Amino acid sequence: KAGVTQTPRYLIKTRGQQVTLSCSPISGHRSVSWYQQTPGQGLQFLFEYFSETQRNKGNFPGRFSGRQFSNSRSEMNVSTLELGDSALYLCASRRDRGGETQYFGPGTRLLVL
Amino acid sequence: GQNIDQPTEMTATEGAIVQINCTYQTSGFNGLFWYQQHAGEAPTFLSYNVLDGLEEKGRFSSFLSRSKGYSYLLLKELQMKDSASYLCAVDPTDSWGKLQFGAGTQVVVTP
Repeated sequence: KAGVTQTPRYLIKTRGQQVTLSCSPISGHRSVSWYQQTPGQGLQFLFEYFSETQRNKGNFPGRFSGRQFSNSRSEMNVSTLELGDSALYLCASRRDRGGETQYFGPGTRLLVL
Repeated sequence: GQNIDQPTEMTATEGAIVQINCTYQTSGFNGLFWYQQHAGEAPTFLSYNVLDGLEEKGRFSSFLSRSKGYSYLLLKELQMKDSASYLCAVDPTDSWGKLQFGAGTQVVVTP
């Protein structure tokens, strides 16, 4: 069974631009979570989607948004990029609810110049 | 909320055993994850403890005590490739996919 995939793997943007990252979960997984990882803050939760609905959201500004499609694929968008948005963005999927293993994709490394 | 504490760094020699402790404070959770993360890569799943006790999986074992708010990951017969960050994460009961991660323990394996 294929793992979680994320595209693109690497991205360079400039301040003020916007970016869209994509995540395809493991087949049969309906829950998709997004995390931001930086050296200073570690892994921080952005949001979680299940059946096209956002069920949970972390403490990030409104510039960070996401959505999920009917095939469970998910995208996250960051508008008006700031230097501090440079990070590894990780997507993770699990079948349904808590109590089940969450698997991570390879991540998208975003550099904002 | 959950406060998750684990040591910042541990060093051990090849072939040795290392135990990484994780303590947490939580109002309720489904279980506790351990992930391994090599530099520049995504976390990979190691173990998920739901019940108290020890779970063994090859060279890696993980232990959970809910009453003590304590878990550990035991790495045996250390190999150079085990040099990585090890992340402890709590899976809250009502937080829909929002794992709470510790800062990670950097394990350095020396020859």
